[in-house]
Amino acid sequence: DAGITQSPRHKVTETGTPVTLRCHQTENHRYMYWYRQDPGHGLRLIHYSYGVKDTDKGEVSDGYSVSRSKTEDFLLTLESATSSQTSVYFCAIKGGSSGETQYFGPGTRLLVL
Amino acid sequence: KNEVEQSPQNLTAQEGEFITINCSYSVGISALHWLQQHPGGGIVSLFMLSSGKKKHGRLIATINIQEKHSSLHITASHPRDSAVYICAVRGTDKLIFGTGTRLQVFP
Repeated sequence: DAGITQSPRHKVTETGTPVTLRCHQTENHRYMYWYRQDPGHGLRLIHYSYGVKDTDKGEVSDGYSVSRSKTEDFLLTLESATSSQTSVYFCAIKGGSSGETQYFGPGTRLLVL
Repeated sequence: KNEVEQSPQNLTAQEGEFITINCSYSVGISALHWLQQHPGGGIVSLFMLSSGKKKHGRLIATINIQEKHSSLHITASHPRDSAVYICAVRGTDKLIFGTGTRLQVFP
């Protein structure tokens, strides 16, 4: 357990509304990631962060923005939610004895109607 | 073509059977990860390997860098092994994931 929590765990929203998902870690890891998981696809990277205020895009970043103002929090914002953003969102950190193991949060189920 | 391919996509077994899940990749990698996703959705890291073989309990992971192939074996399978097993490869500092193998083990 790498002390990763996500909030909310479930959310239903309407098309066009902004949504913010929060990832919180308690162990001061430098790298944090946001993924989405959809049927028929592997986990896909949305954005990642390698330090406070240091972020970069992943392969499916369109329609998403992130912010990291504190080491422990990494926020994912859907600026104007669309039905194609209905998914399960996972936050992860990189750590462990090798420094390369990824630990995942419990996930957030988002439904955009 | 996906950069990481897993086979089979679905697998059913009787308790006690030996299980093999395969992962092939087409990119250069620095390491390969095996993950387990429980029916409730949580994802747990099982192994990270860059060469040879690793063993943890009834789980064994092997990798052949020259052939760009890895296998995850489960010996003496048990219903609690029922899960989705995900292979992921590390290129630079990002992971590329396979779509997973859904394993169901029946008593």
